[in-house]
Amino acid sequence: DVQLVESGGGVVQPGGSLKLSCAASGFTFSGSAMHWVRQSSGKGLEWLGRIRSKANSYATHYAASVRDRFTISRDDSMKMVYLHMNSLKTEDTAVYYCTRHYTYYYSVGYIDVWGKGTTVTVSS
Amino acid sequence: FVLTQPHSVSESPGKTVTISCTRSSGSIATNYVQWYQQRPGSAPIIVIYEDNQRPSGVPDRFSGSIDSSSNSASLTISGLKTDDEADYYCQSYDSYNPVIFGGGTKLTVL
Repeated sequence: DVQLVESGGGVVQPGGSLKLSCAASGFTFSGSAMHWVRQSSGKGLEWLGRIRSKANSYATHYAASVRDRFTISRDDSMKMVYLHMNSLKTEDTAVYYCTRHYTYYYSVGYIDVWGKGTTVTVSS
Repeated sequence: FVLTQPHSVSESPGKTVTISCTRSSGSIATNYVQWYQQRPGSAPIIVIYEDNQRPSGVPDRFSGSIDSSSNSASLTISGLKTDDEADYYCQSYDSYNPVIFGGGTKLTVL
């Protein structure tokens, strides 16, 4: 079964940093683009960014709201994707989800699988 | 562009409900639309991909469509069950933004 498991969430002070991890299993991780999405309590889904596969030069793309503070990386040998968050603000408090971008043949693809999420609280 | 969904909809068990997702600019037909269901306390799951395709395991009570005249996508759920009560999000993309979510619709089955 395709599975994504996030970890690394916790409480951090404003201005601090945190690194979230996502362990993937059950699919060809190296060939898949991966996204991070977050959701503040009682709010909607907010896309944060994407990292593509090695075949696409590990290209990254970020939402404007986090572009200068968040970075996505991956380790294909470990089947892991990471979200590095710097200069955290109270408004970054949210559940953070790791998701897989599924493609087939020459399709554009779509997000099909989500992890259960990890909670980040930014508070003094 | 922005995807606009109604904040909430409600319907009775056994009935049919349709949730709309209106694209603010550009044609709804240009880029595929996905729909996600999120039950309270759980991660989202995909229920419709590429406008009208249903993943395996999703009941055929769920269907998707697009309407160019209203520039919107729709998720229709027939034979409503109390278990369908959840938040539903539409999602699309464009050349500059790989993922754009609608604001979400809370479905109440009462």
